[in-house]
Amino acid sequence: DAGVIQSPRHEVTEMGQEVTLRCKPISGHDYLFWYRQTMMRGLELLIYFNNNVPIDDSGMPEDRFSAKMPNASFSTLKIQPSEPRDSAVYFCASSFLARTGELFFGEGSRLTVL
Amino acid sequence: AQRVTQPEKLLSVFKGAPVELKCNYSYSGSPELFWYVQYSRQRLQLLLRHISRESIKGFTADLNKGETSFHLKKPFAQEEDSAMYYCALKGSNYKLTFGKGTLLTVNP
Repeated sequence: DAGVIQSPRHEVTEMGQEVTLRCKPISGHDYLFWYRQTMMRGLELLIYFNNNVPIDDSGMPEDRFSAKMPNASFSTLKIQPSEPRDSAVYFCASSFLARTGELFFGEGSRLTVL
Repeated sequence: AQRVTQPEKLLSVFKGAPVELKCNYSYSGSPELFWYVQYSRQRLQLLLRHISRESIKGFTADLNKGETSFHLKKPFAQEEDSAMYYCALKGSNYKLTFGKGTLLTVNP
């Protein structure tokens, strides 16, 4: 298994543009998490899904952010419109049952908004 | 609410010296605590969890409920231990909350 796959690995865009980040979780995992990593705030949980259903989106910064999980093998995180303060590394992670607490992380998508 | 505090952003030690990365938490229920590690150019990965009471790569961590702490310790640091370390707490809702991380540098 290639693990959690994220794309793109790097994205540079201009303020106001729409950004879509993609994630393919490990097959069979039933939880999917989106985190944002910055120097100032560390790793922040944005939203997580269980069996494709959003469970807690309280970490989503504002209405400009949205996330979907149309099926068990794909999720997207969209920012529209993007702003410079959204620049960060966005991680996707998946877990089986989540009970063990072991999350398997992707390599992250580094977003730079100019 | 659940909160994890790692008071040190940076920690630098010499090879062979003991190392302790501090972690304090706040949670009203019975928490599960974890340490995750991110080596340079690698994915964030689980290092150890308190319920396993295991030693991984020479690291141990003991949950102290009285002090609400879960400090990570290693008696003799190695250069390959240089990495970013995150303490994390899982509450009953399966939500995993991370601290801001400590960048450990082990100097030769």
